[in-house]
Amino acid sequence: AQSVAQPEDQVNVAEGNPLTVKCTYSVSGNPYLFWYVQYPNRGLQFLLKYITGDNLVKGSYGFEAEFNKSQTSFHLKKPSALVSDSALYFCAVRDSSASKIIFGSGTRLSIRP
Amino acid sequence: SAVISQKPSRDICQRGTSLTIQCQVDSQVTMMFWYRQQPGQSLTLIATANQGSEATYESGFVIDKFPISRPNLTFSTLTVSNMSPEDSSIYLCSSPINPYNEQFFGPGTRLTVL
Repeated sequence: AQSVAQPEDQVNVAEGNPLTVKCTYSVSGNPYLFWYVQYPNRGLQFLLKYITGDNLVKGSYGFEAEFNKSQTSFHLKKPSALVSDSALYFCAVRDSSASKIIFGSGTRLSIRP
Repeated sequence: SAVISQKPSRDICQRGTSLTIQCQVDSQVTMMFWYRQQPGQSLTLIATANQGSEATYESGFVIDKFPISRPNLTFSTLTVSNMSPEDSSIYLCSSPINPYNEQFFGPGTRLTVL
């Protein structure tokens, strides 16, 4: 079985500071990992993914995430937060042998000016 | 990437009625997925719709309540049957362009049941 956990319901960061949104996962095979963002009253937008290769992956809007196999984590990061980054962020995982993606509970990111 | 559209974007329905939601993808895809999301909450997978075979439902979801059609490789429908206020939610369809790659999502259908 596959699962994903986002331990923080909310993350508050001042504009210009670095941000981290945490994600840990559990799969029986090799993990395919994803981050999505959802702005108010909007659909889900794909940010980035890890399938294989470099542990540090870069995505849209200056976001990046680091795959850590030993810690089974895939934390989302950005060096300098913008107010416009305020949104709901979802981590998701797919086992390499499965067809469906499982989503975490979501983390609401709030960037204050 | 893929462009996925849904109709209707929102609806307000009476208890006991049914609503069919349409999902159109701008390219041929093998798998399509239907999710439910309460506002501000996570996504719950309802079922996987494969063309040419019956949909596969997740635990807690049954075909009688959420019948799905998948007539071709670009289109699917989800019907919410015999609705109750508990069915009020956002319903999203989704598909990966290539198996095991990222999924793209439609804009969602916001359903309110009175």
